[in-house]
Amino acid sequence: EPEVTQTPSHQVTQMGQEVILRCVPISNHLYFYWYRQILGQKVEFLVSFYNNEISEKSEIFDDQFSVERPDGSNFTLKIRSTKLEDSAMYFCASSEVGQTDTQYFGPGTRLTVL
Amino acid sequence: AQKVTQAQTEISVVEKEDVTLDCVYETRDTTYYLFWYKQPPSGELVFLIRRNSFDEQNEISGRYSWNFQKSTSSFNFTITASQVVDSAVYFCALSVRRSQGNLIFGKGTKLSVKP
Repeated sequence: EPEVTQTPSHQVTQMGQEVILRCVPISNHLYFYWYRQILGQKVEFLVSFYNNEISEKSEIFDDQFSVERPDGSNFTLKIRSTKLEDSAMYFCASSEVGQTDTQYFGPGTRLTVL
Repeated sequence: AQKVTQAQTEISVVEKEDVTLDCVYETRDTTYYLFWYKQPPSGELVFLIRRNSFDEQNEISGRYSWNFQKSTSSFNFTITASQVVDSAVYFCALSVRRSQGNLIFGKGTKLSVKP
């Protein structure tokens, strides 16, 4: 069964460093998403991406964040200068159509900022 | 604005008991979608069900059942004859047609099933 994959599973970085989180969505899906979950809290929407551009973003998704689909398979989230409060689990998701369809989530990348 | 409330923070039951997880949502949109996801201790988010606002039929899938009531803006989830493997955090989520699939999650209910 096709699934969303994410690498790395755990990333440790120093405050101020740039990190890139990688995702491979399900191959025939057209919409891609990033969410984050601070430890013990709810899952929060960051950004959605369709047709090589951002469709929607939340207040959390400020200028420190960017997304990119560098090739036909990968979908990346970049945090330019990490802060302690960026420590969280980051989930990538994809769906076939969009708001009418189910999002399937990857296993997540745990980001720890020291 | 949209909102999802899961008032039960933690629930603990003994194996084989039935348990209901509550979810109340708020939206002014007439077209919306409701979801339940399971997050086991390993951390991934597992899709369980999607329901659109025009379909109020209850659904049963094995030991799982869902009760959608628009009159009370609720989408409750019942596990019958719970098992230890059901132990997880369960999230209810809402998506409205106007958005590009932005899922709004509740805070989750942690279910512990003890043998």
